[in-house]
Amino acid sequence: DAGVIQSPRHEVTEMGQEVTLRCKPISGHDYLFWYRQTMMRGLELLIYFNNNVPIDDSGMPEDRFSAKMPNASFSTLKIQPSEPRDSAVYFCASRGGGNYNEQFFGPGTRLTVL
Amino acid sequence: GQQVMQIPQYQHVQEGEDFTTYCNSSTTLSNIQWYKQRPGGHPVFLIQLVKSGEVKKQKRLTFQFGEAKKNSSLHITATQTTDVGTYFCAGGGSNYKLTFGKGTLLTVNP
Repeated sequence: DAGVIQSPRHEVTEMGQEVTLRCKPISGHDYLFWYRQTMMRGLELLIYFNNNVPIDDSGMPEDRFSAKMPNASFSTLKIQPSEPRDSAVYFCASRGGGNYNEQFFGPGTRLTVL
Repeated sequence: GQQVMQIPQYQHVQEGEDFTTYCNSSTTLSNIQWYKQRPGGHPVFLIQLVKSGEVKKQKRLTFQFGEAKKNSSLHITATQTTDVGTYFCAGGGSNYKLTFGKGTLLTVNP
């Protein structure tokens, strides 16, 4: 199993540009999570999906952020327009069903907005 | 909302010394999970505790879940340089979300 796959691994962009982060969860996992990690705020949950449906997006910082999961094997997190304060590492994680299952994290995308 | 506090923020030890990190939740948890993140890496699952008062061991690591299911600890005996990284606790509530503590960064001097 390849694990959770994220792309790109690194992204450098200029303020105002659109950024799209991609995630492929582990096959068979029906939960997908997007996290943001910064030194100041730690690891924050942005949104999570169950069976491709967004369940809780209360962590999405503002309307500039949007996430989609068009099918069970692909999800995107989009920032439009990007701002320097969006600079962070963005992780995607997936887990299987059941009450208490571990989350498997992808390698992350390091985003720098200049 | 649910908050999970973790202390200390940083811990530097000499190789061979013990290490402990503590986690406290503002609400009663359904379960608690622990993750380790190596520098430049991603969080990797270590263990999950579900029962009140539960204690689990993995070699030199001992994990405890408090009786009230609001606190937890991770203790490492005789640290090694391979233990370097950030240790996160993550509290699970009634849904499938995890609320992560800010982590404890452990550095080990050989």
